[in-house]
Amino acid sequence: NAGVMQNPRHLVRRRGQEARLRCSPMKGHSHVYWYRQLPEEGLKFMVYLQKENIIDESGMPKERFSAEFPKEGPSILRIQQVVRGDSAAYFCASRMYSNQPQHFGDGTRLSIL
Amino acid sequence: GIQVEQSPPDLILQEGANSTLRCNFSDSVNNLQWFHQNPWGQLINLFYIPSGTKQNGRLSATTVATERYSLLYISSSQTTDSGVYFCAVGGSNFDSWGKLQFGAGTQVVVTP
Repeated sequence: NAGVMQNPRHLVRRRGQEARLRCSPMKGHSHVYWYRQLPEEGLKFMVYLQKENIIDESGMPKERFSAEFPKEGPSILRIQQVVRGDSAAYFCASRMYSNQPQHFGDGTRLSIL
Repeated sequence: GIQVEQSPPDLILQEGANSTLRCNFSDSVNNLQWFHQNPWGQLINLFYIPSGTKQNGRLSATTVATERYSLLYISSSQTTDSGVYFCAVGGSNFDSWGKLQFGAGTQVVVTP
């Protein structure tokens, strides 16, 4: 049973470009969460999605960031017009039911030149 | 939101030593997880323990939900135990269900 799959593992972008981070949850999991870990900091919640719905986006920056979890395919975290401050590790987690643990992917390390 | 405090912030151990890491939280929770972030940055899920006691090899954890704390025990530490240990909680209020609030972590270094 494959775990949470994130790709790419590393992503380099120049300032002003777009970054797309993908997350395939564990089989049967319909709850997806995105977290961000800035350098030398802990992890912060960004957004919680269920299939085709954004449930809680209280941790998302108001501009340039968006997330989706379509009926078919992986969840996507999209960052438009990236800036140096977006450099971080982005983790995706999934779970099956609300009273079960979240399982984390290995993360995507985003570097902005 | 829920406040999560971990102590100590840093811990240096000699190989073979035992240690206890603590996590205090400010409100009732319906989810509590302990993670180990290894030097490669991977988050390893250690325990899902909103209450009670669990053991897995040299690691064990106890959560006393009524007193709002959890403890992670590392026995006979090995160099591979080095890394950052995070406690993360999910609140029992509807609007915080799901999302995890992470503590700042305990940086553990195990020396040979």
